[in-house]
Amino acid sequence: DQQVKQNSPSLSVQEGRISILNCDYTNSMFDYFLWYKKYPAEGPTFLISISSIKDKNEDGRFTVFLNKSAKHLSLHIVPSQPGDSAVYFCAASGGNNDMRFGAGTRLTVKP
Amino acid sequence: GAVVSQHPSWVICKSGTSVKIECRSLDFQATTMFWYRQFPKQSLMLMATSNEGSKATYEQGVEKDKFLINHASLTLSTLTVTSAHPEDSSFYICSARRQAGEQYFGPGTRLTVT
Repeated sequence: DQQVKQNSPSLSVQEGRISILNCDYTNSMFDYFLWYKKYPAEGPTFLISISSIKDKNEDGRFTVFLNKSAKHLSLHIVPSQPGDSAVYFCAASGGNNDMRFGAGTRLTVKP
Repeated sequence: GAVVSQHPSWVICKSGTSVKIECRSLDFQATTMFWYRQFPKQSLMLMATSNEGSKATYEQGVEKDKFLINHASLTLSTLTVTSAHPEDSSFYICSARRQAGEQYFGPGTRLTVT
């Protein structure tokens, strides 16, 4: 039962443009959402989070948007840089604090 | 940011042997640690949740007698893969929760069972 879904396995963007990564969830008990960045053979690195009481959180080039009615969140990276190339995981947690991950989206930023 | 270490970073073992992986939170106390497994090109799969001083809670389908988890202190959790088989070969990642909702991940351990 996949409670967190990232339907795009890959995304390719030109340097300097905006990258938009999408994530959908099914469990209405989730109230905290996170994005992680992962390089091969390394553990995920926390990027940005948002609680369900907000609909937007911004940190530098990274902005996360949450649409609770649609059970959808997205990560915007602008401007995109080649160093942003990695796999991005969306994660969600709820009352029991277990975190569920999406399948990941591989972002490639072309110079 | 918070630092979580794992040791070893990679290990090769023979089928039938046991392997222990350590996870340490270096600059904070973690009441809860998590163990994940990642297969190639797949998502992170939560294996178990480990609370300091109590038994780990395993996810459905994860054999608790095969993947022994010990959370002996607020900064250390260990995962022991007992009687390892080639299908146990994977990338194992631990994480430690510092405060509600935020988890910090270790660098991962690549296990290869021959």
